[in-house]
Amino acid sequence: NAGVTQTPKFQVLKTGQSMTLQCAQDMNHEYMSWYRQDPGMGLRLIHYSVGAGITDQGEVPNGYNVSRSTTEDFPLRLLSAAPSQTSVYFCASRKTARTGELFFGEGSRLTVL
Amino acid sequence: KQEVTQIPAALSVPEGENLVLNCSFTDSAIYNLQWFRQDPGKGLTSLLLIQSSQREQTSGRLNASLDKSSGRSTLYIAASQPGDSATYLCAAMKTSYDKVIFGPGTSLSVIP
Repeated sequence: NAGVTQTPKFQVLKTGQSMTLQCAQDMNHEYMSWYRQDPGMGLRLIHYSVGAGITDQGEVPNGYNVSRSTTEDFPLRLLSAAPSQTSVYFCASRKTARTGELFFGEGSRLTVL
Repeated sequence: KQEVTQIPAALSVPEGENLVLNCSFTDSAIYNLQWFRQDPGKGLTSLLLIQSSQREQTSGRLNASLDKSSGRSTLYIAASQPGDSATYLCAAMKTSYDKVIFGPGTSLSVIP
């Protein structure tokens, strides 16, 4: 059972570079979301989607873009990486916005130099 | 603003003890509360999901309760083992929007 799959697991970027973190789920979940986890800050919501073609901002959306062209995939794009975006990023999904357990991927550790 | 707090922030117990982790939320208008476990360097693993119509859920040595009127949830771990050492997070899902709010977590260490 694949569940929620994130790639890459580790990435090092230079300031100003762009990249995309991939997230895919095979559970036919409508709801998908991206979090970042930083020491002392806990988990903070970046963007979320309640279904294909629908996205919305979370607590800390600046510097990130998302799109949801299919139910399965929810990529997170860093437009111009900054050292403040050094973090561990988690993708999560659940059946709908209001039902089901929230399932997490294993995380992507990003370092911006 | 929905806030979720967890007490204690860290806990160290000898193996075999029963223990309780606490989660408090400021708004009773939640519809789900979920408990997670996170091992160092790993993702979050779902432990228990309590829906608003339920008062508690059990899985093995774990029991989670939910009291919406007091804004509290507790996670009870029976007969703790060193393998239970991890960070435990609770997450509240509020009725009026689609976001999930996480507590800061309780770091548990079970000493053999």
